[in-house]
Amino acid sequence: ETGVTQTPRHLVMGMTNKKSLKCEQHLGHNAMYWYKQSAKKPLELMFVYSLEERVENNSVPSRFSPECPNSSHLFLHLHTLQPEDSALYLCASSQRFPYEQYFGPGTRLTVT
Amino acid sequence: AQTVTQSQPEMSVQEAETVTLSCTYDTSESDYYLFWYKQPPSRQMILVIRQEAYKQQNATENRFSVNFQKAAKSFSLKISDSQLGDAAMYFCAYRAYNNNDMRFGAGTRLTVKP
Repeated sequence: ETGVTQTPRHLVMGMTNKKSLKCEQHLGHNAMYWYKQSAKKPLELMFVYSLEERVENNSVPSRFSPECPNSSHLFLHLHTLQPEDSALYLCASSQRFPYEQYFGPGTRLTVT
Repeated sequence: AQTVTQSQPEMSVQEAETVTLSCTYDTSESDYYLFWYKQPPSRQMILVIRQEAYKQQNATENRFSVNFQKAAKSFSLKISDSQLGDAAMYFCAYRAYNNNDMRFGAGTRLTVKP
């Protein structure tokens, strides 16, 4: 369970705050993903980076801004979030498609 | 667009018994992969089993096996000799061969009764 790590594990922020989520993978993978997991809804793919280039952006609001400085690190920068953005944010990594993804433990985000 | 449907929001099984979780999917692709993931309470999501669509033989991993029906677009997970540690949310997922996008079902919460 240490192949993909995420920090922080819990985050409470106000709607005017700016914060960042961090993900790190130690598996030598070359693709990384951000997902949003809300209660009673399927996982929603937010962003995909393959070889450090963003290849997928599923109509995510601009208040979420990803950054992938290298193949091992992925960030999600957050600003002026809304209460409905409260969710579990999961990071995952994989070899390039179509292989399975390995998930981190997630960051539980609460927007007040 | 590919969609994945898990029609059982919740299931329960007696310890040591067998349970089957259902999953159907919709796709026009011929090459793809299917997965079952397990997410225990407050713990990391982990891969349980993987099936390549071009393989006719059903995948098996110890007590976990799948029933893959390509024509019916069905991909069920069978858990034999259920254990208390099997209690978790189970997600079915689909990924086309040439696509980064992995589609997940809404999940089935499995309870194991001692």
